[in-house]
Amino acid sequence: AQSVTQLDSQVPVFEEAPVELRCNYSSSVSVYLFWYVQYPNQGLQLLLKYLSGSTLVKGINGFEAEFNKSQTSFHLRKPSVHISDTAEYFCAVTGQFYFGTGTSLTVIP
Amino acid sequence: NAGVMQNPRHLVRRRGQEARLRCSPMKGHSHVYWYRQLPEEGLKFMVYLQKENIIDESGMPKERFSAEFPKEGPSILRIQQVVRGDSAAYFCASTTGAYEQYFGPGTRLTVT
Repeated sequence: AQSVTQLDSQVPVFEEAPVELRCNYSSSVSVYLFWYVQYPNQGLQLLLKYLSGSTLVKGINGFEAEFNKSQTSFHLRKPSVHISDTAEYFCAVTGQFYFGTGTSLTVIP
Repeated sequence: NAGVMQNPRHLVRRRGQEARLRCSPMKGHSHVYWYRQLPEEGLKFMVYLQKENIIDESGMPKERFSAEFPKEGPSILRIQQVVRGDSAAYFCASTTGAYEQYFGPGTRLTVT
């Protein structure tokens, strides 16, 4: 069975500060991992994905994530956030496509 | 290349009525997923369809809910005899069958 845990439901951060959104997964098989962003009243947009290869994955809007197999984590990071990054962020793992419950990132001016 | 289309974007139904949600996948995509999103919760998988075939419906409630993806036309998620607890945002996503899913803007169903 697969599952995804997003450890923080809400993350407030000041503009231009760094941020890390945490995601842990459990799976008995090899996984593919994704981060999606959802802006208010919109669908989900893919930020980045890990399929294989380098464990450091770079995505859109300056986000990156690192796949850590030993810690079963796939944390999302950005060195300097903007107001426009305020959104809901979802971590997902394939199989049936299991989504975490989301992390609401609020960037404070 | 148009993205995934969903309509209507907002749907209001009285208890006991039927709700029909439509999803047109991206061009060239033959696989569709449906998800439900409740307030303060993540996306919950409902059903995975290929054209004319239900691949996995393990996330669908056993009663009142059905889904189809005909050879021609959009995928339909149908909810019969809606109840207040069905109020949610319903998202569909399409894919070529590989791992990356492309999401539609969602249909927000309100049951009064």
